[in-house]
Amino acid sequence: DAGITQSPRYKITETGRQVTLMCHQTWSHSYMFWYRQDLGHGLRLIYYSAAADITDKGEVPDGYVVSRSKTENFPLTLESATRSQTSVYFCASSATGSVSQPQHFGDGTRLSIL
Amino acid sequence: SQQGEEDPQALSIQEGENATMNCSYKTSINNLQWYRQNSGRGLVHLILIRSNEREKHSGRLRVTLDTSKKSSSLLITASRAADTASYFCATVLPGGGFKTIFGAGTRLFVKA
Repeated sequence: DAGITQSPRYKITETGRQVTLMCHQTWSHSYMFWYRQDLGHGLRLIYYSAAADITDKGEVPDGYVVSRSKTENFPLTLESATRSQTSVYFCASSATGSVSQPQHFGDGTRLSIL
Repeated sequence: SQQGEEDPQALSIQEGENATMNCSYKTSINNLQWYRQNSGRGLVHLILIRSNEREKHSGRLRVTLDTSKKSSSLLITASRAADTASYFCATVLPGGGFKTIFGAGTRLFVKA
């Protein structure tokens, strides 16, 4: 079934460890986004990508790294996880960079850092 | 600081009643979007209203936009238990490209 999928759905890890969250979309959308969702903050943009090999920082990029070697994949890596990065992470995509384009979201990865 | 802020934070109504949620924002916008999020799922786009529009309808949804007051409202008519979800407004700033800024959301609970 076409769409946007995130893996894993749930992850528990320890502080200092590296963890990678995966995002895959089958629409060939140019734009992809990573958000984190925390109580009281809504969704905050971490990184976004306009195309393969083009990425840029969002509102809260510190502690995160992204790459986009293929259009359909946009992994998010926490290089050295901290407790403050415990959150629900959402990946999204949109067809173009037009401001009138809606974003399509995956079902999220719930990440707990002990 | 958040661009969009929803009000109320939580709303509980009976099935069949109308639900109204409000969103206020701080700066000029290109457009405003509303999303729904069911528990444990990702956000789903509901409707977009452009800055030069005042009202828009989609099924049981009615969205208004008042740029002079920097506010928008989402009305769900004849609510159903399946409408239970969180609702978020999202704005795109002029010159902000495709960076969408989300509010903290309104949690709607519709009692059967």
